[in-house]
Amino acid sequence: GQSLEQPSEVTAVEGAIVQINCTYQTSGFYGLSWYQQHDGGAPTFLSYNGLDGLEETGRFSSFLSRSDSYGYLLLQELQMKDSASYFCAVSDSYSSASKIIFGSGTRLSIRP
Amino acid sequence: EPEVTQTPSHQVTQMGQEVILRCVPISNHLYFYWYRQILGQKVEFLVSFYNNEISEKSEIFDDQFSVERPDGSNFTLKIRSTKLEDSAMYFCASSYPGQVAPGTEAFFGQGTRLTVV
Repeated sequence: GQSLEQPSEVTAVEGAIVQINCTYQTSGFYGLSWYQQHDGGAPTFLSYNGLDGLEETGRFSSFLSRSDSYGYLLLQELQMKDSASYFCAVSDSYSSASKIIFGSGTRLSIRP
Repeated sequence: EPEVTQTPSHQVTQMGQEVILRCVPISNHLYFYWYRQILGQKVEFLVSFYNNEISEKSEIFDDQFSVERPDGSNFTLKIRSTKLEDSAMYFCASSYPGQVAPGTEAFFGQGTRLTVV
């Protein structure tokens, strides 16, 4: 089967750094993605890791270790608008239209 | 900026009725998806569609569900006989070729909130 594990909730202070971890178990693996979803909104793509290592996009970075089936999303200089749910997601096959399987999401709350 | 559009934004239907949810993917995208999200829960994959046929589907996508691309722009999800447990937000998404693996970056519409009463 397929499973993605991430913490259900994380709280952090404005201006701080927070790391959201994700471990996965899938039958196939073609990369780990991260999505952000504000309440009532649609998931929005943040980043993708196909290879081991760190990918940086502005204040957000994402890391992948394929050997450990583990990744994380790092958010720096937190702003109130970063309060949202964050989902790790796995692309589990290189078919003609591979599906993305989402984790249960981590609700990030930012305190002033 | 191009976006995925979904209509209607809200749909209320009686149990047993058929509903059709509509989506217009981004015009140069070739891969289309339907996902659903029950309130407060995770986003669940339903089906992917490529080259005018279903590519993959989940166990949720049973005989009550069907998808269609009736013309060059629309992508629809039909639920034949709705059940109470079909109440959820339904998201359409699309992605474009040239990615490392298709579907690793999907663009989502704003969703249709379906309420079955």
